[in-house]
Amino acid sequence: LAKTTQPISMDSYEGQEVNITCSHNNIATNDYITWYQQFPSQGPRFIIQGYKTKVTNEVASLFIPADRKSSTLSLPRVSLSDTAVYYCLVDRDYKLSFGAGTTVTVRA
Amino acid sequence: DGGITQSPKYLFRKEGQNVTLSCEQNLNHDAMYWYRQDPGQGLRLIYYSQIVNDFQKGDIAEGYSVSREKKESFPLTVTSAQKNPTAFYLCASSEPGGGNSYEQYFGPGTRLTVT
Repeated sequence: LAKTTQPISMDSYEGQEVNITCSHNNIATNDYITWYQQFPSQGPRFIIQGYKTKVTNEVASLFIPADRKSSTLSLPRVSLSDTAVYYCLVDRDYKLSFGAGTTVTVRA
Repeated sequence: DGGITQSPKYLFRKEGQNVTLSCEQNLNHDAMYWYRQDPGQGLRLIYYSQIVNDFQKGDIAEGYSVSREKKESFPLTVTSAQKNPTAFYLCASSEPGGGNSYEQYFGPGTRLTVT
């Protein structure tokens, strides 16, 4: 049973905001929500992590509702270089479970 | 300049041969991991190690072996028993596991092709 469900792909244009929603209905109390970004033929890179409410850093924001059954990664003003696969993970320790992720394609 | 190195970037082997993939980190992390990625798929955990001289099987350990004799090194051997070894292999490290989720740092990967 998959821990998370996210769209397979999303298209956007340069300068737009991209929002990727991830469902995690069976999230446990101690689970954190983490997002990674992966470019082709490279290892994934940590983007952001949160437990509840909203977290923001220099590259993204993460919105988590009170029930924590879903989360939304927001990428403001995307550029062509943001074209990548984005993974949503929920985990409470050092073992991570990666699904197929969401392929985001940014067009000029 | 801290990070994780994997070598080589591309590796070609004949079927039936064992092959060892290198992974080194200078981040002083206790935990290290090996993942496999097939085209269009997410990452699957092969083995992980939380501390030197200790390691555990992940979700797809059959046909693979590892060792953790030094904190900074976690080599992966793909044996001839692995039925479909051709894949992209990623090594990662993180701070020790615990009650919270820790950020994993990934290497650049090794693409193994077995014919």
